This record gives sequence, structure tokens and C-alpha cells, in this order.
Amino acid sequence: DAKTTQPPSMDCAEGRAANLPCNHSTISGNEYVYWYRQIHSQGPQYIIHGLKNNETNEMASLIITEDRKSSTLILPHATLRDTAVYYCIVRVERGATNKLIFGTGTLLAVQP
Amino acid sequence: ETGVTQTPRHLVMGMTNKKSLKCEQHLGHNAMYWYKQSAKKPLELMFVYSLEERVENNSVPSRFSPECPNSSHLFLHLHTLQPEDSALYLCASSPDGATNEKLFFGSGTQLSVL
Repeated sequence: DAKTTQPPSMDCAEGRAANLPCNHSTISGNEYVYWYRQIHSQGPQYIIHGLKNNETNEMASLIITEDRKSSTLILPHATLRDTAVYYCIVRVERGATNKLIFGTGTLLAVQP
Repeated sequence: ETGVTQTPRHLVMGMTNKKSLKCEQHLGHNAMYWYKQSAKKPLELMFVYSLEERVENNSVPSRFSPECPNSSHLFLHLHTLQPEDSALYLCASSPDGATNEKLFFGSGTQLSVL
């Protein structure tokens, strides 16, 4: 199973870009990288996902290295409401069922 | 508002009680999931239902009994729980349960077993 490694915590100043790294060196060729976040006392929220090209949506950008062994989630202008645990997940490919396996994530603290 | 509603938000129960957690989704999805999140631990996938059939059961003790009467509702029946079962129980849904679908989570039920 592809596993991910993330720093346990990071700080970011409000209004600045938050860059959250993730290593997934054992990722398989057809496995996607997903990012979710979990704000305190809420369920996880989908942010973005990608295979090998960089992706952008209204919430964030996802940069995946050419060898696909690591990726970075970018929140371009962090706000206090972005304080949350951010999970980088590689889909486990066992059978046809959707099995998103969450790790321990990165606690991003946005400072005023 | 994610379209997935869980009740109750908080539950305290004794080890001999029987209680049920409820999840309802208003997204027209066909797959529903139960996850458990213990303090300072990753989310653990417990059960997966697709079109009301259980397709995944990750070695969960029999004191947890899921029920999916239709594609919009999911229950988790609890009986004779242990204190270590205290956790946040999260429900999620996705369109078909196939790989690479986004999951939509509810806000969870915070369960305390005394």
C-alpha cells in the first residue's frame, strides 16, 4: 500500500501562502493523490486531488513532482479559518471499493 | 453544510446500554461509510455500503452493528461497548463507492463510554 509522510505541524501567517508538503515515494503509477482537511470538531472536507499534472481549484493548488514521489498543497492566501489538520492520502488500490486511508496529517496553525 | 447529517452530535452511554447512531445523506449518493476517529489517532474505516449492501467490514468487533435500510440512511447500532470505544464516529457518502470518488463527511457523533 502506498503510504504518505507529512510533517506533524506547521505555522503560517495570515494572508501568506501555506505550502504543505507530502512524501509518497511508493506511489503506484495509477494512484491518485488526495488532500482533505479537518477543522476541529468537524468531519474531513475534500480539497483537491490529482494524478500527475498540477491541479488548481477555488480552494487550493496541488503541485506533484515529475517522479510523483512527493506533492505540495498550496493555500495561496491563508486565513484563520484555514487552521485545520490537512491529510495527504494516496488511494489504496485493493478491489473496486473506495478506500481512502487517512494518516495523521499536518496540523496547520494560521497565526494572525 | 455537506449534505450529510449525523445525529446525535454527542452521546454518553454506559457499557451495558444499547444505542444507535444515525446518518442521513441528501446528495443522492449510493455509497455510505462509517469511520472511527479515536483521540490522536488516524481515521479508521469501519464499514462500507454500496447500494445498501455491505462491501467492506474491516475486522470491526461485533458490538458494532451497521444497518443500511436504503441508500440515504445508515445506522450504527452499539451494544456492550468498552471505554476504549469512546471516539468520534464519522459517516460519509460518495456517488457510487467506486475508487477516486470524493467523500462527503458529516460532522460526526462524539461518543463517550463510561
